[in-house]
Parts: sequence; structure tokens; C-alpha cells
Amino acid sequence: EIVLTQSPGTLSLSPGERATLSCRASQSVSSSYLAWYQQKPGQAPRLLIYGASSRATGIPDRFSGSGSGTDFTLTISRLEPEDFAVYYCQQYGSSPTITFGQGTRLEIK
Amino acid sequence: QVQLVQSGAEVKKPGASVKVSCKASGYTFTSYGISWVRQAPGQGLEWMGWISAYNGNTNYAQKLQGRVTMTTDTSTSTAYMELRSLRSDDTAVYYCARVDYDFWTFDYWGQGTLVTVSS
Repeated sequence: EIVLTQSPGTLSLSPGERATLSCRASQSVSSSYLAWYQQKPGQAPRLLIYGASSRATGIPDRFSGSGSGTDFTLTISRLEPEDFAVYYCQQYGSSPTITFGQGTRLEIK
Repeated sequence: QVQLVQSGAEVKKPGASVKVSCKASGYTFTSYGISWVRQAPGQGLEWMGWISAYNGNTNYAQKLQGRVTMTTDTSTSTAYMELRSLRSDDTAVYYCARVDYDFWTFDYWGQGTLVTVSS
């Protein structure tokens, strides 16, 4: 089973700053099957990025994804107050099996 | 618009079973899969398994094999997740999510169902 490790665990930034979140896989992941989600307290997760770098419908262009192989990154170019949340990466493997990273909490500094 | 509406909160005793429903609307039910994801209090997301709404094929997370069953009723566009032999560490919010097969992502989610296991 592929393990996804996200870092940092918590990221403290101010509105307007740039956020860089990392997701590292224990073995190579197809870029087509790497996604990112945002979750706010008391809400279901929301799909942000699919295929490692494509924004889901309605997602602002300040969100971008990149990476390949075992290293993937979610970047938020200029943080808005509503961006402070928990972010998860997710990958798909054969069978099918799905795994999530443990999450990165983005908090206001 | 696509909606997944889940059944209400449940309180169960250890050893009991729970069955959560997820009613889909706004799309062709059999063209997508449904996955179930749970989240224990203050914890991350845990994938539980997947069911094809087209033919009923399933795959479950290894740690839940033997305790979980996922089914669908295409006549009502409803998916179900049954978890048996409940333990206190099964206390969680349970989500259903639509599976986009192109990228194996969860593009729409239900509102979540809190299942509390307590004696």
C-alpha cells in the first residue's frame, strides 16, 4: 500500500502570503491519480486539484498543484482568509485502493 | 445539481451494526462509483471502500474486510454502507462521495453521518 506523508503538519501564515504544502509518496504515483482536498471545520472535504495539477470546477486560480513520481506540491499563491483549513492529498492505486495523507493544517499566524 | 444526501446520526452499542444511506440525485447514478470515507473525531480521512453503481463490484480497505458491506439500489439511486461488530474506535463521521473514474477523485460528497459507538 502506498503511504502518503504530508508536510508540514501545521503551517502558520498570514493572509496575502504564499503557502507551499508537500505530499510525498512511499512509491511512485501516477500523476493522473493524485488529488488535493480542502476541509473546513464541520464540512465535508472539497476537491481542489485532480491529476496533480488541474483545478476542479470553481476553484480559484490562486490554487495550483505540481509534481510527479513521489513528490507533489499544493501552492496557494496569496492566502485569503477563507483558505485557512486542513488540506489532504489523495492517491489512487490498482484494485482499486485509495489512500489519503494525514493532512496539513493551515492556520492564521 | 449533483447532491448526495445521507441518513441521520446514529448511536450504537459495541457489537451492534449500523447501516448508513446515501441518496444521489442530479446525475446518472450508474455512471459513477460511490466511495465511503470516515473521519474519527479530530483525525484525518480514512478510505473505507468503493462500489460500482453500474454492476455492484466492490473493493474494501483491508482493515475493514469482513466487517463492512457496501451495496446500491439503482431503482432509488441510493448507496448503503453497513458496518458490523462496532467498536468504540468506529466512532466517526461517515461520508459518501461520488467517484470520478477518469481521475479516481471524489468530486461530490455527502454531508456526513455521525456514528457514535458507546455503551
